[in-house]
Amino acid sequence: DADVTQTPRNRITKTGKRIMLECSQTKGHDRMYWYRQDPGLGLRLIYYSFDVKDINKGEISDGYSVSRQAQAKFSLSLESAIPNQTALYFCATSDLESGTSGGYTDTQYFGPGTRLTVL
Amino acid sequence: AQSVTQLGSHVSVSEGALVLLRCNYSSSVPPYLFWYVQYPNQGLQLLLKYTSAATLVKGINGFEAEFKKSETSFHLTKPSAHMSDAAEYFCAVSLYNQGGKLIFGQGTELSVKP
Repeated sequence: DADVTQTPRNRITKTGKRIMLECSQTKGHDRMYWYRQDPGLGLRLIYYSFDVKDINKGEISDGYSVSRQAQAKFSLSLESAIPNQTALYFCATSDLESGTSGGYTDTQYFGPGTRLTVL
Repeated sequence: AQSVTQLGSHVSVSEGALVLLRCNYSSSVPPYLFWYVQYPNQGLQLLLKYTSAATLVKGINGFEAEFKKSETSFHLTKPSAHMSDAAEYFCAVSLYNQGGKLIFGQGTELSVKP
């Protein structure tokens, strides 16, 4: 079974609709992330959560909201979908690691993605 | 501000040829660097990462990358391309004092010709 799962894998919706994308993980990681991928722009961070009580905005949070229901679950909502939110959405998880030169970093593990189309 | 630039949105090589995908970063503090690969219709998979233990990092599927501080580069190489290497490749940077936040380059699509 996959360690990071996303549902649905594909979704077509209409402008103005509210939709929710869900992410679940079995890796036991505290940290979870939502990204969107657009051609030529790479991945951009929408929201991230370092634990259940910690939610932070990323680079492009406008028009999105999130909910961290449990350590293993992190949902992304589009309150009123618009066409320029058409993209591939990825969830990722990680745990903090000590870097070899001090400091901290982590390795992120990605889900398979949700392809969202807003008409 | 930190950033990552991947030179070339598309790279095409012949099977058996050298693969070189370029990545330059901008960071005022020691970076941690990553290469991810995305196969069609799949999520991102970690290829390799640099966390300052060694400047030459070996990853999966025969890929390696060398961290060059003087050139602020972290180019990805593979001596001999295989058809199965066709995918999109992303370079990313994580900052020393901001563990967890990755900044991605725009990606390079690698095509392998028979």
